[in-house]
Amino acid sequence: SAVISQKPSRDICQRGTSLTIQCQVDSQVTMMFWYRQQPGQSLTLIATANQGSEATYESGFVIDKFPISRPNLTFSTLTVSNMSPEDSSIYLCSAAGTGGPVEQYFGPGTRLTVT
Amino acid sequence: AQSVTQLGSHVSVSEGALVLLRCNYSSSVPPYLFWYVQYPNQGLQLLLKYTSAATLVKGINGFEAEFKKSETSFHLTKPSAHMSDAAEYFCAVSDSGGYNKLIFGAGTRLAVHP
Repeated sequence: SAVISQKPSRDICQRGTSLTIQCQVDSQVTMMFWYRQQPGQSLTLIATANQGSEATYESGFVIDKFPISRPNLTFSTLTVSNMSPEDSSIYLCSAAGTGGPVEQYFGPGTRLTVT
Repeated sequence: AQSVTQLGSHVSVSEGALVLLRCNYSSSVPPYLFWYVQYPNQGLQLLLKYTSAATLVKGINGFEAEFKKSETSFHLTKPSAHMSDAAEYFCAVSDSGGYNKLIFGAGTRLAVHP
């Protein structure tokens, strides 16, 4: 299984600012994903981070608000731009491709509070 | 389009009792199904997965789930609950395995009381 770390683990930010979340995997993976988990809710996929090409965003999420980078097969970043209190959530990254095509492993999440 | 429905947002059982968490899916193609557990202030941990092999799948921590195509269900069970099982449980579906996105259910919060 893959071990995934995220930085920061939590942050409190002011509205209008931006925060970049880092996701590091301990081995090369084919796919990386970013999810949002709003308070008391389930997980919603924001985008698929593609290595060497632009991320693929789900309906309701746009690149200007959530720019994503995937510079190599073990690392990705998600930026939450121009934050508002509605962006307060847990942001999780996941990775697939290490234990066979059906294994998807999650990082510990980044708990973001926007004031 | 795929979807997952978890019946019961909260389930409470006594320690030592049977745990049953319900999950029904909708998929136009043969699905891959997963159960994840989330402990407080932690990420998600994979409990078990169904990938079209055996219909009864055994996972970690004594959990198992049975895929029933006729009922489009993938319920999670554990014969005897332990206090440490208290957590949020998520059922998820994918149509082509882990390379594709996971569609999650709303989650079921399991409480275990003495």
